[in-house]
Amino acid sequence: EPEVTQTPSHQVTQMGQEVILRCVPISNHLYFYWYRQILGQKVEFLVSFYNNEISEKSEIFDDQFSVERPDGSNFTLKIRSTKLEDSAMYFCASSEERASSGNTIYFGEGSWLTVV
Amino acid sequence: DQQVKQNSPSLSVQEGRISILNCDYTNSMFDYFLWYKKYPAEGPTFLISISSIKDKNEDGRFTVFLNKSAKHLSLHIVPSQPGDSAVYFCAATGNMLTFGGGTRLMVKP
Repeated sequence: EPEVTQTPSHQVTQMGQEVILRCVPISNHLYFYWYRQILGQKVEFLVSFYNNEISEKSEIFDDQFSVERPDGSNFTLKIRSTKLEDSAMYFCASSEERASSGNTIYFGEGSWLTVV
Repeated sequence: DQQVKQNSPSLSVQEGRISILNCDYTNSMFDYFLWYKKYPAEGPTFLISISSIKDKNEDGRFTVFLNKSAKHLSLHIVPSQPGDSAVYFCAATGNMLTFGGGTRLMVKP
């Protein structure tokens, strides 16, 4: 069964460093998302991406965050200067159609980011 | 802003009995409601969904009920199995998927 894959599974980084989290969405999907879950808290929406541009973003997704689809397969989340509070599990997700159509969104296994 | 809420952080059920997970929402514009299951250190896995124009959807042991007037939905698992033990997230779609806080289900053998 096709799946969303994410790398790395776990990254430890020093505060202030840049981090890039990588994702390979399911190949025929057109909508891409990043979510995060801080330990013990709910899964929170960060950003959605369609047609090579951001379609929606949350308040969390400030200027420190950026997303890119550098080639036909990868979808990346960059955190420019990490803060301690960025420590979380980051989930990439993708769907064939937009979320509001009820299309299933498939999640990757997550990348656990620890900022020290 | 808690547009989707799961008020029970945990639920313990005996194997073979019914598990009922509840979810409330505030935004009447949500189009679809979904349930995801999540194991530790894994991504959420889609379980079942329901359109806002329906009141019930069934898939095997899983049934989701939607009460639009009460802005409430529930997931019924029957019979519950130990492998169902996980965190269950209710989610709703508008332009994005908004998750509830999750309910940890423990099914005891």
